[in-house]
Amino acid sequence: EIVLTQSPATLSVSPGERATLSCRASQSVSNTLAWYQQKPGQAPRLLIYGVSTRATGIPARFSGSGSGTEFTLTISSLQSEDFAVYYCQQYSTWPFGGGTKVEMK
Amino acid sequence: EVQLVQSGAEVKKPGESLKISCKGSGYTFTNYWFGWVRHMPGIGLEWMGIIYPGNSETRYSPSFQGQVAISVDKSISTAYLQWSSLKASDTAIYYCARRLPGSAAADYWGQGTLVTVSS
Repeated sequence: EIVLTQSPATLSVSPGERATLSCRASQSVSNTLAWYQQKPGQAPRLLIYGVSTRATGIPARFSGSGSGTEFTLTISSLQSEDFAVYYCQQYSTWPFGGGTKVEMK
Repeated sequence: EVQLVQSGAEVKKPGESLKISCKGSGYTFTNYWFGWVRHMPGIGLEWMGIIYPGNSETRYSPSFQGQVAISVDKSISTAYLQWSSLKASDTAIYYCARRLPGSAAADYWGQGTLVTVSS
């Protein structure tokens, strides 16, 4: 089974700064990767699918990139509403990645 | 507008049975794969299984095979997640989610159902 490892576990960022989140797969996964945002008390929200396609209504400051086993979610200029936990998901695995918590510095 | 509305929070004792539901609206229910996701705070998210309402084809995560049952009632656009004998370790939030066609990415989610299992 493919294992997804996210890093860092916690990322401290100031508003307006750039945030870079990593998701590494234990084997090549082509373009079958998605990213989600989850805030406390809320359901996850799809941000990116197919590695780099933004879901409907997702602001352009969110972008996804990568290939093979290394993938990145970038938030170009962090807004206050972006502080949350972010998960990656590969289409053929059941568990999501362990998550990265983006907190205010 | 696409909506997934889940049944309310449940408090159960170990060994009891439970069936929670998720009703879809605003789209053709039978045309999208649909799944259940467990969220254990501090542990993360995990797909439990998925079902295609059009023909009831169901697939389970190895971690949940034999532990839960997923079903649908197409006539009322509702999916179900069922336990026959709950354990304390089943305490979690359970989400239903619709998958994008041709993808396993979930574009719409229910609001979540908190299941608490305690003696």
